[in-house]
Amino acid sequence: GNSVTQMEGPVTLSEEAFLTINCTYTATGYPSLFWYVQYPGEGLQLLLKATKADDKGSNKGFEATYRKETTSFHLEKGSVQVSDSAVYFCALSQGGKLIFGQGTELSVKP
Amino acid sequence: KAGVTQTPRYLIKTRGQQVTLSCSPISGHRSVSWYQQTPGQGLQFLFEYFSETQRNKGNFPGRFSGRQFSNSRSEMNVSTLELGDSALYLCASSLGTDRTDTQYFGPGTRLTVL
Repeated sequence: GNSVTQMEGPVTLSEEAFLTINCTYTATGYPSLFWYVQYPGEGLQLLLKATKADDKGSNKGFEATYRKETTSFHLEKGSVQVSDSAVYFCALSQGGKLIFGQGTELSVKP
Repeated sequence: KAGVTQTPRYLIKTRGQQVTLSCSPISGHRSVSWYQQTPGQGLQFLFEYFSETQRNKGNFPGRFSGRQFSNSRSEMNVSTLELGDSALYLCASSLGTDRTDTQYFGPGTRLTVL
């Protein structure tokens, strides 16, 4: 079946460091891919999405490119801030439902 | 535009009881999906409703049920609660008409079963 695998956390970075969170997927067909972020005590917020191969999603300095050849959707940001500390979830859509990775906790220190 | 709202935000129940959670989607959205989030299992899909019909179902026991009303508001019910049902229950709404649709999440209902 379809699945999503993310790199394990927690990831701890210093402010202004470069961020990469790896995400790979297994899917039949052509799913849409998403990154969601969850701050403590809150629900999920959409960070970015891509709906077809080679699409690049971007928002608030975060980027991810839909790579069909490597079945990947890695999240990147050039310079993280303390306010980016949160849990990040990679997900794919399958027939109206989202399948999530296990989440990667990011902690950014000043 | 108002976001997805969920009520109540927190619930404490005891084993064997039942509980009903409510979700109001974004105006114009006809699809509502429910997810369970636990530290051990992560985020798992429960079911999706579209135009008052269950369109998709996850791998949960029959104690978990839901429904959707004509105004797209949805409720989720869990009967005969077990300790393992303690979780954050998230509701998400979308237009529901295309595979590229984005699901927008509410803040969740935190259920604690004692």
